[in-house]
Amino acid sequence: SAVISQKPSRDICQRGTSLTIQCQVDSQVTMMFWYRQQPGQSLTLIATANQGSEATYESGFVIDKFPISRPNLTFSTLTVSNMSPEDSSIYLCSVWGSGESSYNEQFFGPGTRLTVL
Amino acid sequence: SQELEQSPQSLIVQEGKNLTINCTSSKTLYGLYWYKQKYGEGLIFLMMLQKGGEEKSHEKITAKLDEKKQQSSLHITASQPSHAGIYLCGADMSYGQNFVFGPGTRLSVLP
Repeated sequence: SAVISQKPSRDICQRGTSLTIQCQVDSQVTMMFWYRQQPGQSLTLIATANQGSEATYESGFVIDKFPISRPNLTFSTLTVSNMSPEDSSIYLCSVWGSGESSYNEQFFGPGTRLTVL
Repeated sequence: SQELEQSPQSLIVQEGKNLTINCTSSKTLYGLYWYKQKYGEGLIFLMMLQKGGEEKSHEKITAKLDEKKQQSSLHITASQPSHAGIYLCGADMSYGQNFVFGPGTRLSVLP
């Protein structure tokens, strides 16, 4: 299994500012995934963070708006830049690992609840 | 329109009853994933299906992927209040396309 922690757990930010969200995993993983869930919406995958290379962004998401760092195999950051109220969401970090049933399972962090005023 | 549809949108059942949630796509899926989201507990991965006709079970939850890999069902047997939450399906649509999630099905189980 994998235990994931995120910081901060929540924040309230002003329009135009940036926030960096940290994700820490208790084991080494090749890929880390960043998702967001806007109020009342389903989840959306933002990007895949690979150690040693640039992140891979899904359609509709760009590096200038959501820069990602992946300095090692257990840590990643997602920055939400030049925030607007539309960025208010829960941001989730996720990894794949071995579960109890031995097949791969996906594990999620507790999420970062961001409110942009 | 949504690339993944889920039905029903919400479901209220009496404890002990069986229920089924469906996830449908108009395109062939490369992989289908089921999740449960519960307030205060975060998002939980349930299972992953990749082959047409595949079926997996975990405790009282069984998920199937049809042969065409366009539809999946999640079946809960003898539901309990602990099964309450929002069930999401997610899918790899195809190479180069986004991973997408369905809109979710809200399940309430009455004791």
